[in-house]
Amino acid sequence: KAGVTQTPRYLIKTRGQQVTLSCSPISGHRSVSWYQQTPGQGLQFLFEYFSETQRNKGNFPGRFSGRQFSNSRSEMNVSTLELGDSALYLCASSRTTMFSSYEQYFGPGTRLTVT
Amino acid sequence: QKEVEQDPGPLSVPEGAIVSLNCTYSNSAFQYFMWYRQYSRKGPELLMYTYSSGNKEDGRFTAQVDKSSKYISLFIRDSQPSDSATYLCAMSATGNQFYFGTGTSLTVIP
Repeated sequence: KAGVTQTPRYLIKTRGQQVTLSCSPISGHRSVSWYQQTPGQGLQFLFEYFSETQRNKGNFPGRFSGRQFSNSRSEMNVSTLELGDSALYLCASSRTTMFSSYEQYFGPGTRLTVT
Repeated sequence: QKEVEQDPGPLSVPEGAIVSLNCTYSNSAFQYFMWYRQYSRKGPELLMYTYSSGNKEDGRFTAQVDKSSKYISLFIRDSQPSDSATYLCAMSATGNQFYFGTGTSLTVIP
């Protein structure tokens, strides 16, 4: 079974630009979560999507947004990039449903560098 | 106070040693617990997943959850150099929004 895939793997952007990252979950998984990982703050929860609906949201500004498609693939967008947005962005998928919770599996991440 | 506290280490042990990694938390509603291993510049790899209290064993790895003390542990028996990585604990009340520790860096010396 293929794991979680994320594209692109590496990205360099300039302050003020916007960026879109993509995540394809494990087949059959309908829940997709996004995390930001930095050396200082560790892994921080951005948001979680289930059946195309944002079900949970972390404490990030509105510049961070996401969406999920009918095939469970997800994208996250960061607008007006700041230097502090440089991080590893990780996507995790789970077979969690409306009524049951299960473990999360991570992709390899997208390393974003903002200059 | 952070939701999850984890000693960052670094922790250095000889090959074959038993390693104990720990996390404490403040939210008594947490009932889903996971441990991940993360190698440098890679995504976290799931090691253990437990629900509520108790112990769970998988090969050389044992996870323990003590909800009364708000304390979870991961034990690695017969540690190997390939176990050298950062270990992350994660926990959740609902099972779909997880809070992570900052990770413990482990080095196993041959």
